[in-house]
Amino acid sequence: DAGVIQSPRHEVTEMGQEVTLRCKPISGHNSLFWYRQTMMRGLELLIYFNNNVPIDDSGMPEDRFSAKMPNASFSTLKIQPSEPRDSAVYFCASSLAHQGGADTQYFGPGTRLTVL
Amino acid sequence: GDSVTQMEGPVTLSEEAFLTINCTYTATGYPSLFWYVQYPGEGLQLLLKATKADDKGSNKGFEATYRKETTSFHLEKGSVQVSDSAVYFCARALGRGAQKLVFGQGTRLTINP
Repeated sequence: DAGVIQSPRHEVTEMGQEVTLRCKPISGHNSLFWYRQTMMRGLELLIYFNNNVPIDDSGMPEDRFSAKMPNASFSTLKIQPSEPRDSAVYFCASSLAHQGGADTQYFGPGTRLTVL
Repeated sequence: GDSVTQMEGPVTLSEEAFLTINCTYTATGYPSLFWYVQYPGEGLQLLLKATKADDKGSNKGFEATYRKETTSFHLEKGSVQVSDSAVYFCARALGRGAQKLVFGQGTRLTINP
């Protein structure tokens, strides 16, 4: 079975450019999460969706960041304009939410973003 | 607030040594608890979990017991291998039924042959 798919795996861009990261969750999962990982701040939750609806975006750093989930099988995280401090590994994860408790999140391989 | 505190790394051990990585959490109710592992260049993957007090999660020789008295979920393995070298993350759910996970800062483990 395919796991969470992210693209691109690596992105190098220049400051000020727009960056779009893509994620395809595991089929049948109804929750999707975007995380950012850096050496300084560790693993941070940026936003998560449930049934394609954003539930909590309190981790989104600022207005330069936006995320969408137009359907159950696709999500994007956009940074416009990008800055060097956005350099990090961005992970997408998905899970099957249910009433009984937090379920296992399955992570994608990540997108390593470098902003010059 | 809700948080998870992990033993600071890095941790370096010899093959076949006994491993303990400490993890404590703030006690807001009885959240599900998790250990995730991240191998170099990969995303996190679930290692084990426990959903209620006194539960023991286990996988690949690793174990962790949900201790509500000490609000801890320490990870242990009796005999580590070189292939166990990775970063280990402890995490808690934010309340029953909650989808958000709060992660610890991660502990880098290196096993030397």
